Amino acid sequence: DAGITQSPRHKVTETGTPVTLRCHQTENHRYMYWYRQDPGHGLRLIHYSYGVKDTDKGEVSDGYSVSRSKTEDFLLTLESATSSQTSVYFCAIRESTLVGINEQFFGPGTRLTVL
Amino acid sequence: AQKVTQAQTEISVVEKEDVTLDCVYETRDTTYYLFWYKQPPSGELVFLIRRNSFDEQNEISGRYSWNFQKSTSSFNFTITASQVVDSAVYFCALSEGGGSEKLVFGKGTKLTVNP
Repeated sequence: DAGITQSPRHKVTETGTPVTLRCHQTENHRYMYWYRQDPGHGLRLIHYSYGVKDTDKGEVSDGYSVSRSKTEDFLLTLESATSSQTSVYFCAIRESTLVGINEQFFGPGTRLTVL
Repeated sequence: AQKVTQAQTEISVVEKEDVTLDCVYETRDTTYYLFWYKQPPSGELVFLIRRNSFDEQNEISGRYSWNFQKSTSSFNFTITASQVVDSAVYFCALSEGGGSEKLVFGKGTKLTVNP
């Protein structure tokens, strides 16, 4: 158990409203990621963070912003939700060590529906 | 650019059959990492294995085995004597080194094991 929680787990919202999804981790990992999962596309990276206040864009970042003011929390914001952002959103953490690379562990996901 | 191709969209087998899930990757880096994840019907993403580009040894874990061949850029996954509990979507993923270790996923293969 990598100690990752996501909130909310389910959300239905209307087009044009702002939405914030929260990812919380309990193990002080440096790297955190947001992915979206859509049928026929697998998982695609939205944004990631490599430390407090350090973030960067992923493959599908348009329409999304992120913030990381504390190590344990990584927030994903849809400033004005659109129907194309209906998806399942996964947060992930990566343990970092001095040698090699470690796998990412995923949170339980948030199912977002934009009507 | 990185790319992962899982050509098999869906596979259906009968319990106790062996099944191989194919994964072909593209990368220009000499240092990279390959992963397999399992997503059961409950929706969570479960890490199965990580392989780095310097280690071409095949790996076996119980009924699971992985065949990594750099010559064909493939990292195939075989389940021996499949069981109903193996029914899931399986994702292959690739990460290049360099710091962020972002994952690029294939689109997944849905495996159904029938009793």
